[in-house]
Formats: sequence, structure tokens, C-alpha cells
Amino acid sequence: SQTIHQWPATLVQPVGSPLSLECTVEGTSNPNLYWYRQAAGRGLQLLFYSVGIGQISSEVPQNLSASRPQDRQFILSSKKLLLSDSGFYLCAWSQPVVGANSPLHFGNGTRLTVT
Amino acid sequence: KQEVTQIPAALSVPEGENLVLNCSFTDSAIYNLQWFRQDPGKGLTSLLLIQSSQREQTSGRLNASLDKSSGRSTLYIAASQPGDSATYLCAARDNYGQNFVFGPGTRLSVLP
Repeated sequence: SQTIHQWPATLVQPVGSPLSLECTVEGTSNPNLYWYRQAAGRGLQLLFYSVGIGQISSEVPQNLSASRPQDRQFILSSKKLLLSDSGFYLCAWSQPVVGANSPLHFGNGTRLTVT
Repeated sequence: KQEVTQIPAALSVPEGENLVLNCSFTDSAIYNLQWFRQDPGKGLTSLLLIQSSQREQTSGRLNASLDKSSGRSTLYIAASQPGDSATYLCAARDNYGQNFVFGPGTRLSVLP
């Protein structure tokens, strides 16, 4: 069966510090991978998605970046965090649209607080 | 650009009631629509997925319907329980299959 791992679960970082959040998927190959952010009291905002190694699409211009160095690994990074980067970050995966049933599956999320 | 809305934003009901959550989307060219549940501080758990060619899906006490022509989906919860208290989100997957657009969610409280 497929599983998704996301870490760390919580993170407190000072303004201006770097960020690296990691997500890995097991039990599937060539998944679509996604990074979402959920700010307090707001809906999910798609940040990045990837359909393959090295292929990253950005939905929102910001000081965050994403990379996909391996097929089932997705990394969210920042060189210098801003206070506005605080939020709940969620990694997700889905199968590419070739099958009839391709739901979106989420990790447990990372609560990031920038101080 | 696809926009997804959910009504109501919050709902409080006594235990045992049947209830309906609503989800609307502006672009009917969707591949599927998925309903999720989110407990406070947790990730999203998939509840039901309806393909664009389907009209409804059922899982236990949950039934989700889809009307693409009107841009609407509903999630019906029968005989609600306090354990059903959570935020419920819907997401529409576009026809290119790469993007999921989420609604803001409905926060449900089921009172014992």
C-alpha cells in the first residue's frame, strides 16, 4: 500500500532563517506531488506541484521554492523565512490522470511558526 | 480559473440529525470531485471521490452527489455523531488532471 511521510511535524524558526521541509511517498511510482499551505482560518493554497523529477510548477510567487530530486521525494525550501510564511504545510500525492480513480492523499502536515 | 465555494462556513447540529454540506464550483470541466475531512491540527483524510461521469458515491453513513451541469456537489451525513465533528473540504480536479482546487471548508460541530 502507498504511504506518505512528511517531516518535521512542527517547526519554529526565526525570521531570515532557511527552511527545508521534506516529503516522501512509498509504494507508488511517478506520482504527482503537491505542496499546499493552510493559513489560520483560511483554505488550502496550492504552492507547487510536480509531475516528474525536476519538473516543478509554481502557483504562487513567493520566497519559497520546491525541488524534486528523486521520483518520490519532494522538498520545500526557503533561503530566508518571513513572518508571513507561518502556516500549516501539507504535502500530497496523486496518480497521474490515466486511471479512473485517482484521489489526492495527504501527509500529516508541518506546523511552521516563524518568530 | 476554477473557484470552489462551500456553504455553510460552519454548522452546529444535535447528535442524530441528518445534514447536508454544499460545495459549488465555477468550471464544470472537472475530472473528479473529492471530499475530505480535517481534524484540528491534522492532515486531510479522503472521504469520497466522485468521477465526473458519476452522480454519487456512498461510504457508510456518507453519501456524496455530483451535478456537473449546475456546478454543485453535496455531502450527506446520516445520523450524525459527535465523532463527525471536523472541518469538511471539497476539491475539484481539473480536466488536465494536475491541479486540485479546494473550497474553504465547512466546520461541523455535532453536539452530544
